[in-house]
Amino acid sequence: DAGVIQSPRHEVTEMGQEVTLRCKPISGHNSLFWYRQTMMRGLELLIYFNNNVPIDDSGMPEDRFSAKMPNASFSTLKIQPSEPRDSAVYFCASSSQGGGGNEQFFGPGTRLTVL
Amino acid sequence: RKEVEQDPGPFNVPEGATVAFNCTYSNSASQSFFWYRQDCRKEPKLLMSVYSSGNEDGRFTAQLNRASQYISLLIRDSKLSDSATYLCVVNRAGGFKTIFGAGTRLFVKA
Repeated sequence: DAGVIQSPRHEVTEMGQEVTLRCKPISGHNSLFWYRQTMMRGLELLIYFNNNVPIDDSGMPEDRFSAKMPNASFSTLKIQPSEPRDSAVYFCASSSQGGGGNEQFFGPGTRLTVL
Repeated sequence: RKEVEQDPGPFNVPEGATVAFNCTYSNSASQSFFWYRQDCRKEPKLLMSVYSSGNEDGRFTAQLNRASQYISLLIRDSKLSDSATYLCVVNRAGGFKTIFGAGTRLFVKA
């Protein structure tokens, strides 16, 4: 079975450019999470969707970040404009039930470098 | 103060040793607790859930102490393959907010 799929796996861009990260959750999972991981701050929850609806976006750092989930099999995280401090590994995770009280399955991550 | 705190380590132990990690959480309304494992440059993966009654999975034992607000992970008979970062995870009441600890690094050496 395919796990959570993320693309691209690596992204190098210049400051000011728009970056779009993509995620395909495990089929049948109705919860989707976006995380950011850095050495300094560890793994941080950015936003959580349940049944394609954003439930909690309090972790989104600022207005430059936006996330969408147009259907059950696809989500995007967009950064516009990007800044060097956005450099991190971005993980998408999905879960079979609402909330975070169940196992979350993580994708391989997108390693973003903003120059 | 962080909501979930872990000793970052690293813990350097020989094969066969027993090692224990603790994790403290500050929100008394926290509802669900987990240990995840993350290998270098890989994604986190669930190691085990943590229940009030404690639970064991082979060489791994997890405990929850709600009164003192900490959870623990015990690894017996350490293997080289246990070398990884162990992440303590707490869900707030309502289940929507997942908080990861910064992780504890473990190195098991031959």
